[in-house]
Amino acid sequence: DAGITQSPRHKVTETGTPVTLRCHQTENHRYMYWYRQDPGHGLRLIHYSYGVKDTDKGEVSDGYSVSRSKTEDFLLTLESATSSQTSVYFCAIRAGTGTGELFFGEGSRLTVL
Amino acid sequence: AQSVTQLDSQVPVFEEAPVELRCNYSSSVSVYLFWYVQYPNQGLQLLLKYLSGSTLVKGINGFEAEFNKSQTSFHLRKPSVHISDTAEYFCAVMGDYAGGTSYGKLTFGQGTILTVHP
Repeated sequence: DAGITQSPRHKVTETGTPVTLRCHQTENHRYMYWYRQDPGHGLRLIHYSYGVKDTDKGEVSDGYSVSRSKTEDFLLTLESATSSQTSVYFCAIRAGTGTGELFFGEGSRLTVL
Repeated sequence: AQSVTQLDSQVPVFEEAPVELRCNYSSSVSVYLFWYVQYPNQGLQLLLKYLSGSTLVKGINGFEAEFNKSQTSFHLRKPSVHISDTAEYFCAVMGDYAGGTSYGKLTFGQGTILTVHP
């Protein structure tokens, strides 16, 4: 158990509304990630963080923003949700140094109507 | 830039048969390689990883993978599958150079759904 909690686990919202997903870790890891999973695409990196207030874009960052004001929380925000953002979102943390291994949360399923 | 191609989107096999899930990667730097498994409605779990050293890597649940640098491949194998191995499997790559743009970012393949039939 890597001590990762995602919330909410399920959410249905309407196009144009803002949505925030939260990732909380209990083990003080420096690196945190947000991925989205879609059939036929595997997992694609949205944003990642390498420390408090230090974030960078991944390959599918358009329409998403992130914030990390403290080590344990990494927030993903959809400013104005669209149907193309219907997906399953996974948070991950990188354990230790040098090994590169990521541990994943259980996922947050978002449906945008 | 780095990328991963999983050559089969679906692999059906019978129980106790051997299986190979194929993965090719592309990267301009040396890499770490991973296989993850995802059971239905769950998160991802690490099966095995290659960081350096021996090119044959053993993981959990009897799986193993072989790193082939010349062919840029990292195929996953199991000599005898079980019904409980039914899941989606993901190959992933990360650049191992701390100063490179791919360091710390894990790039996934599209996934291979393994279905084991009785």
